Amino acid sequence: DGGITQSPKYLFRKEGQNVTLSCEQNLNHDAMYWYRQDPGQGLRLIYYSQIVNDFQKGDIAEGYSVSREKKESFPLTVTSAQKNPTAFYLCATYRHSGNTIYFGEGSWLTVV
Amino acid sequence: QKEVEQNSGPLSVPEGAIASLNCTYSDRGSQSFFWYRQYSGKSPELIMFIYSNGDKEDGRFTAQLNKASQYVSLLIRDSQPSDSATYLCAVKDGTSYGKLTFGQGTILTVHP
Repeated sequence: DGGITQSPKYLFRKEGQNVTLSCEQNLNHDAMYWYRQDPGQGLRLIYYSQIVNDFQKGDIAEGYSVSREKKESFPLTVTSAQKNPTAFYLCATYRHSGNTIYFGEGSWLTVV
Repeated sequence: QKEVEQNSGPLSVPEGAIASLNCTYSDRGSQSFFWYRQYSGKSPELIMFIYSNGDKEDGRFTAQLNKASQYVSLLIRDSQPSDSATYLCAVKDGTSYGKLTFGQGTILTVHP
């Protein structure tokens, strides 16, 4: 199946732990993004990457880190420095022709 | 900070009525404008996008854009209970790879 795969769908983090959310795509899209959504809120951009080995901070990058070693993969690490990480995390890709952003199914992260 | 503001909800309309969703944006350099629908606990689905002033119709949905007023709207004709969802307005900047800024969303309820 073509698309964007996020895993895990549900994740629980203990205080002080780093956790990594996976995002894999087989759409051959150049650009990839991570958004965070809090209940009743819109999406806020964490990081984005336009090409392999390059990425930029979004509006709320503090406490997060990313890598883009392969075109297909854009993992997001939520570090212990992120004090309020409980949220719905969405990975997306962009197709320049067609001007469309596609979303994965999302990952729910809860701090316990 | 580039801002995207949506009309506060929730919005409730009877089945068969027209639902009107509004969005304003602050960045005059914005090039493309998107409407997404998001069901509870799910990722956003693209309804349509618009980049030229005027109206764009797709089935029961019509997007309207007025760049001079920095205003974009979505009309849903013949609203159905299945249209009940959160509607997100998103604005893309003028760069090639699609940095999207989202509004906070408007909850729409269509009651039978």
